[in-house]
Amino acid sequence: DAGVIQSPRHEVTEMGQEVTLRCKPISGHDYLFWYRQTMMRGLELLIYFNNNVPIDDSGMPEDRFSAKMPNASFSTLKIQPSEPRDSAVYFCASSLGFASPLHFGNGTRLTVT
Amino acid sequence: AQRVTQPEKLLSVFKGAPVELKCNYSYSGSPELFWYVQYSRQRLQLLLRHISRESIKGFTADLNKGETSFHLKKPFAQEEDSAMYYCALSRPTGNQFYFGTGTSLTVIP
Repeated sequence: DAGVIQSPRHEVTEMGQEVTLRCKPISGHDYLFWYRQTMMRGLELLIYFNNNVPIDDSGMPEDRFSAKMPNASFSTLKIQPSEPRDSAVYFCASSLGFASPLHFGNGTRLTVT
Repeated sequence: AQRVTQPEKLLSVFKGAPVELKCNYSYSGSPELFWYVQYSRQRLQLLLRHISRESIKGFTADLNKGETSFHLKKPFAQEEDSAMYYCALSRPTGNQFYFGTGTSLTVIP
């Protein structure tokens, strides 16, 4: 298995533009998580899904952020409109079963100018 | 509310010296604790979890419920241990993982 796959690896965009980050979890995993990593705050949980259903989105910072999981093998995190303070590394992770270790993707480094 | 605290953002030790990365947590129940590591240019990966009670790459971590700590220790640091280390907590109810802010470990040759 190639592990959790995220795309793109890097994204540079201008303020106000829409940004879509993509994630393919490990096949068979039933949990999917989106995290944001910054120097100041470390890793913050944004949202997680179980069997494609959003369970907890309390970490989503604003209405500008939205996440979907249309099927078991794909999820998106969208920011519209993007702002410079959204610049961070966004990680997707998946796991099999409850309270099981997370498997992370390589992350997407987002820069909003 | 649950919280994970890693008091040191940066930690430098000499090769061969003991290393301890501190982690304290606040949670009223019985959480599961983990250490994740991110080596340069690699993805974040699980290092160890407290229920396994195992030693990985020479690292161990003991859960101290009295002190609510889960410090990561290694008796003799190696250069390849240089990485970013995150302590994480998982609640028995709900599947959220809460991470500390991380400690960047540098092992000086």
